[in-house]
Amino acid sequence: GAGVSQSPRYKVAKRGQDVALRCDPISGHVSLFWYQQALGQGPEFLTYFQNEAQLDKSGLPSDRFFAERPEGSVSTLKIQRTQQEDSAVYLCASSLSGANTEAFFGQGTRLTVV
Amino acid sequence: GDSVTQMEGPVTLSEEAFLTINCTYTATGYPSLFWYVQYPGEGLQLLLKATKADDKGSNKGFEATYRKETTSFHLEKGSVQVSDSAVYFCALIKVGGAQKLVFGQGTRLTINP
Repeated sequence: GAGVSQSPRYKVAKRGQDVALRCDPISGHVSLFWYQQALGQGPEFLTYFQNEAQLDKSGLPSDRFFAERPEGSVSTLKIQRTQQEDSAVYLCASSLSGANTEAFFGQGTRLTVV
Repeated sequence: GDSVTQMEGPVTLSEEAFLTINCTYTATGYPSLFWYVQYPGEGLQLLLKATKADDKGSNKGFEATYRKETTSFHLEKGSVQVSDSAVYFCALIKVGGAQKLVFGQGTRLTINP
């Protein structure tokens, strides 16, 4: 497809389990962003890649959160030892170059930690 | 830090009513301002944007004007339709600063026929 694709769409994890969320950006898009959206709230920035370089990870809430984009295309957000407060929708967005060009969002992965 | 404050929702209107969703921001420097929309079951989509003071963004009958003096970017539409039912997010990016969108909390809009 032509849009940003995220998988899985839904994930239920037991507390303490590790999870990996995948993002396929639009082909050719240099910039990739991850956001976390709690229920009833706006998305909050987690991290930003330009190609394979992670230029900003200031929004990652703890060292249990880790993101990578090894070949400058697909990205994975990994959460280790999940906790209930990690329950949220995780959004991925990509843009041609930087956030000042239009960012295209995926549908998100809804993570529920039980 | 930079922040965006939106009108509390939910907002319920009848078809053809006039819509205003208020948005104010706090930022150092001169941010670019955006409205994003999230239709049920879909991802966030850019609705409109403005990059400098007094600019007006417009799309699909929606408008918003960048008001530096009141640090506001209110969303308006003259005659809403049932298909406008969605969640609307105001957001900013600080020009020359960090490459990230700062969002408001969102306003859920429901239009009844």
